[in-house]
Amino acid sequence: DGGITQSPKYLFRKEGQNVTLSCEQNLNHDAMYWYRQDPGQGLRLIYYSQIVNDFQKGDIAEGYSVSREKKESFPLTVTSAQKNPTAFYLCASSPEGAGETQYFGPGTRLLVL
Amino acid sequence: GQNIDQPTEMTATEGAIVQINCTYQTSGFNGLFWYQQHAGEAPTFLSYNVLDGLEEKGRFSSFLSRSKGYSYLLLKELQMKDSASYLCAVRDMGGGADGLTFGKGTHLIIQP
Repeated sequence: DGGITQSPKYLFRKEGQNVTLSCEQNLNHDAMYWYRQDPGQGLRLIYYSQIVNDFQKGDIAEGYSVSREKKESFPLTVTSAQKNPTAFYLCASSPEGAGETQYFGPGTRLLVL
Repeated sequence: GQNIDQPTEMTATEGAIVQINCTYQTSGFNGLFWYQQHAGEAPTFLSYNVLDGLEEKGRFSSFLSRSKGYSYLLLKELQMKDSASYLCAVRDMGGGADGLTFGKGTHLIIQP
């Protein structure tokens, strides 16, 4: 089946610890995205990548880092610099081109201990 | 920058019709999306409008007026499973892969 997978579903982070959220897609999509969702808030763009080995900061990139070494994978690292990391993290992908729909993975819920 | 407004919560009755409005202000416009999101789950794509007018897809329809910066999602023959949040999202002229700007979502409650 084609789709987007994220793991883990729940992740716990200790203070001062870096954690990495996985996002994989087998849809052959060029573009991938990371969003953060907080209760009562809209999704906010963290980073996006249009092509392998290239990525751009979104609206709230501080405290996060990404890599795009393979077309299928776009992992997100939440660093210790991110002071309020508790949120629902959503990965999405889309074919390249204006007007293309973004499709979302199931999400990872990150909680700080 | 972009600003997207939609009602926080709406209530409707099973079998009825409900219209969820979305207004937006953007420096450039390159399409408007509606997504459905059940609690704790990922958003799922419902509709896309880039030209003025109505797009119909089964029980769901979406309308766009670019001159008014306005869209609505119309849900007919409401079912209990339609209880969810409905997200309006706008893509600006920055390019197709620049990400979307989302509204805060409208929480729709369906009553028997």
